[in-house]
Amino acid sequence: DSGVTQTPKHLITATGQRVTLRCSPRSGDLSVYWYQQSLDQGLQFLIQYYNGEERAKGNILERFSAQQFPDLHSELNLSSLELGDSALYFCASSVGTVNEEKLFFGSGTQLSVL
Amino acid sequence: GEDVEQSLFLSVREGDSSVINCTYTDSSSTYLYWYKQEPGAGLQLLTYIFSNMDMKQDQRLTVLLNKKDKHLSLRIADTQTGDSAIYFCAEILGKNTGFQKLVFGTGTRLLVSP
Repeated sequence: DSGVTQTPKHLITATGQRVTLRCSPRSGDLSVYWYQQSLDQGLQFLIQYYNGEERAKGNILERFSAQQFPDLHSELNLSSLELGDSALYFCASSVGTVNEEKLFFGSGTQLSVL
Repeated sequence: GEDVEQSLFLSVREGDSSVINCTYTDSSSTYLYWYKQEPGAGLQLLTYIFSNMDMKQDQRLTVLLNKKDKHLSLRIADTQTGDSAIYFCAEILGKNTGFQKLVFGTGTRLLVSP
């Protein structure tokens, strides 16, 4: 058990809908990272938050947004969903920022857009 | 570019050694990582190597780093069926921008047969 909790584990929804994925980092970790894993794109970095502030941005679509709350949990919001958004979404956390840090991953949320 | 390349698939017999290769992109990467993903689970950090090292050994795992060729390898000695998983190498990009991100390779699926 990595200590990173993601909910829900599975999510099935329709195109055009909006969903929210939730992540609770390990106790004491200030950074939260979101990754998308799909068969064709591999593991893509989406966004990182550190202590409530956006720290780094990757290949995140404008339809997607995230935030980190004062209690350090994070939410990834996906809107106007398309079939191609079906993927496994991972959250990871670390104590500080990514440099020299070890990331601890949750078990992911499997999103299926039908 | 940001493509960290790995071969897609490796099949070995139990007891043999496995060697998983990776070509990374940034010669100034400070740390290079190997992560393991078991079915239905998130990524787990296996080991990492600092860029001033050529080799690091950790029990059955040996990491070799060739900075000149930007080549990283992971050797698993006495491979067991429980080692069957997807293995990702990773490097930190954006070191000079202040917004660093951990970028993963395409992943190598290791299948260990009895």
